[in-house]
Amino acid sequence: TQLLEQSPQFLSIQEGENLTVYCNSSSVFSSLQWYRQEPGEGPVLLVTVVTGGEVKKLKRLTFQFGDARKDSSLHITAAQPGDTGLYLCAGAENTDKLIFGTGTRLQVFP
Amino acid sequence: GAGVSQSPRYKVAKRGQDVALRCDPISGHVSLFWYQQALGQGPEFLTYFQNEAQLDKSGLPSDRFFAERPEGSVSTLKIQRTQQEDSAVYLCASSTLTGPNTEAFFGQGTRLTVV
Repeated sequence: TQLLEQSPQFLSIQEGENLTVYCNSSSVFSSLQWYRQEPGEGPVLLVTVVTGGEVKKLKRLTFQFGDARKDSSLHITAAQPGDTGLYLCAGAENTDKLIFGTGTRLQVFP
Repeated sequence: GAGVSQSPRYKVAKRGQDVALRCDPISGHVSLFWYQQALGQGPEFLTYFQNEAQLDKSGLPSDRFFAERPEGSVSTLKIQRTQQEDSAVYLCASSTLTGPNTEAFFGQGTRLTVV
């Protein structure tokens, strides 16, 4: 059973547009990670956020951890075709086990 | 190799057949995880090892699923009497440290198709 709900499930946009992906849970996590996965590959870590309210930027990607550490968002500015992929949030409770979200499949058209 | 290696990359099994999926983690990584990923979905946790100890197997869907890591490095996920609902990508990940903030490195996965 997935404890992390992501929205939207699918997103299809033109190059240059901005977008936001949301990750929501009723559980509190000690940290939250965002991964990107391309077809035929395993997920690759983008960022880890650990403090409520924390904001991290990675080039055109901005990640935010909710104040209550139950939710997170990923904002992409001026999306590029290379951003295409499956975006996954993953929460860690007090163990090493990662609970993954339902995923957001992003397609950016040139 | 430098990354997590999984074999085979693809496996087609007839319903009722037993399969074994192998994971070679990054050398020296203490933690090893197995996940099951259905098409277009997020990975679902199956089981977790710290060295050779299986600390959590709460995600294994039935007693047909069995995982081991006898020497604390290579791990094998075995599925007995495969069923069509077992069709999925099985991902292995390893990490060097314990704790919730460590980075997990994933292999490319094994795509299992049960026919």
